[in-house]
Amino acid sequence: EDQVTQSPEALRLQEGESSSLNCSYTVSGLRGLFWYRQDPGKGPEFLFTLYSAGEEKEKERLKATLTKKESFLHITAPKPEDSATYLCAVRVNFGNEKLTFGTGTRLTIIP
Amino acid sequence: DTEVTQTPKHLVMGMTNKKSLKCEQHMGHRAMYWYKQKAKKPPELMFVYSYEKLSINESVPSRFSPECPNSSLLNLHLHALQPEDSALYLCASSQDYSLFFGSGTQLSVL
Repeated sequence: EDQVTQSPEALRLQEGESSSLNCSYTVSGLRGLFWYRQDPGKGPEFLFTLYSAGEEKEKERLKATLTKKESFLHITAPKPEDSATYLCAVRVNFGNEKLTFGTGTRLTIIP
Repeated sequence: DTEVTQTPKHLVMGMTNKKSLKCEQHMGHRAMYWYKQKAKKPPELMFVYSYEKLSINESVPSRFSPECPNSSLLNLHLHALQPEDSALYLCASSQDYSLFFGSGTQLSVL
């Protein structure tokens, strides 16, 4: 069975304290890994799509990387406005429109 | 423009009511989705429409009835819901499998 596990479940950082969020996956054949940011009561906001091991993408203070078993979301010098839940999701097969989501990491940045 | 628009933003309904959730996208995306999300849980897929045809139904109870009138619009008709159906209902669209979500409808069933 395809599984996506995110860790830690919650993370509190001081403003400016860099860290990484982990998304590990066990799937039969990865056809895309997606990162989203979600604020309370809002829909997930698309951040990145990664397709192959070794791929990296950056956006402002965020950088996503992918290996054959996991993905990391690195956050550099975070600000309070980066506080949110970060979700990763995987697509297993081309032509399969279903995403399998992890349970998310709740990130809190303390001023 | 990567906007998916959902209405209403909030909805309170009784168990005997009939209501509809609406979703609209103008990005030309070929696939549209309904997800349900409970507090502190990840989104759960309900339905997928591809080229205006229902392609995935995740064994959702018949009190939820999706409709795709055209390539830009997606509706979710609600009837005889239960209190446990209270949740955030999310619409999404995609072209190349990167999903773009709307801001959701927060539904409370009394």
